[in-house]
Amino acid sequence: DAKTTQPPSMDCAEGRAANLPCNHSTISGNEYVYWYRQIHSQGPQYIIHGLKNNETNEMASLIITEDRKSSTLILPHATLRDTAVYYCIVRVGENRDDKIIFGKGTRLHILP
Amino acid sequence: DAGVIQSPRHEVTEMGQEVTLRCKPISGHNSLFWYRQTMMRGLELLIYFNNNVPIDDSGMPEDRFSAKMPNASFSTLKIQPSEPRDSAVYFCASGPDRQGESTDTQYFGPGTRLTVL
Repeated sequence: DAKTTQPPSMDCAEGRAANLPCNHSTISGNEYVYWYRQIHSQGPQYIIHGLKNNETNEMASLIITEDRKSSTLILPHATLRDTAVYYCIVRVGENRDDKIIFGKGTRLHILP
Repeated sequence: DAGVIQSPRHEVTEMGQEVTLRCKPISGHNSLFWYRQTMMRGLELLIYFNNNVPIDDSGMPEDRFSAKMPNASFSTLKIQPSEPRDSAVYFCASGPDRQGESTDTQYFGPGTRLTVL
């Protein structure tokens, strides 16, 4: 079972910031938060990951709460091409060989 | 880099036939993953390899499924015999070797859409 909870769908106007929430209240101290997205008919694409500090790259920003029980992925200026399913993932367990489990994700619709 | 390469992109076969899906990971990556995606079950991890060795195959649905990685640049997922319920998109992903604090970034291929009639 996925260790994260995400809303099933969200809408965002084109050009605005898209803020995608994720709850991971049972996260362990050495577990990372990862975000992937899957555009229709393509394979999932890595976006960003973090442990406890906020992270930013060319695609997005990741804000992790101080207690690490939730996080928010921010797409600063959403475009129509950002329409996709976004997956928030926490590594399962403490074994470095543990697998990543994809949940149902959030279907983000960018509205023109 | 061409990214993860999968072949074929589409496969249509009849029930009972053998199906072989192929994957070429990104050069230099040490981990390789096979996933299956359906509308009903979402994205499921079937098996993953590290340094060509199968680490966890608990996601393989049954004995009809087998996967091999004979070398660092090639892997196959075989279904024999195939059944209609195996119809899905099969993704291969690869990831860099872990260092220090470790990351699990995976790079996915375009997938193989399998239809079993």
